[in-house]
Amino acid sequence: QQQVKQSPQSLIVQKGGISIINCAYENTAFDYFPWYQQFPGKGPALLIAIRPDVSEKKEGRFTISFNKSAKQFSLHIMDSQPGDSATYFCAATGGSNYKLTFGKGTLLTVNP
Amino acid sequence: KAGVTQTPRYLIKTRGQQVTLSCSPISGHRSVSWYQQTPGQGLQFLFEYFSETQRNKGNFPGRFSGRQFSNSRSEMNVSTLELGDSALYLCASRGQENTEAFFGQGTRLTVV
Repeated sequence: QQQVKQSPQSLIVQKGGISIINCAYENTAFDYFPWYQQFPGKGPALLIAIRPDVSEKKEGRFTISFNKSAKQFSLHIMDSQPGDSATYFCAATGGSNYKLTFGKGTLLTVNP
Repeated sequence: KAGVTQTPRYLIKTRGQQVTLSCSPISGHRSVSWYQQTPGQGLQFLFEYFSETQRNKGNFPGRFSGRQFSNSRSEMNVSTLELGDSALYLCASRGQENTEAFFGQGTRLTVV
């Protein structure tokens, strides 16, 4: 059972554009939602994370929007750059369970 | 502060053999989790250790095992290797009071 659904699988954006990746979850016990960025040959790197008590969190060009009632959250990358080209994973965890449940990932390509 | 260190980076093993992977967490972190990453299944949780105790376990066969030492370093072992065990094995380190998980670069295991 896939508890975190991520879309799209792949995304191509022009330099300077906005990249949007969406995730939906099922488990209402989840209370922490991080996004990870992974480059080929590297481990996932924590990008930004949010808890359900806020609807939006911004760090630089990266913003998470969170909709608790819809059980959805999304990552927005403003002014996308070629260096942002990577695979992005959303994840969720909650309660005393420190297991991260990941989405399947989105391969982002930013064309120059 | 040094990051999460995984050794070795690459391994080639033959079906039926067993393998041990090592992970040194960020200094001061007592929680270590292991994940398997494959193109088909994505990132899947294997197990988590905290203060030498396994706190959570994913849906993997008993051939997959782990342990944590008093210095928080962790090892995972896979016995009777199968071709399907070929994957990137990732270790994540987490501090005691927060939930940010930081990943190492992984060990790429190839079973032939």
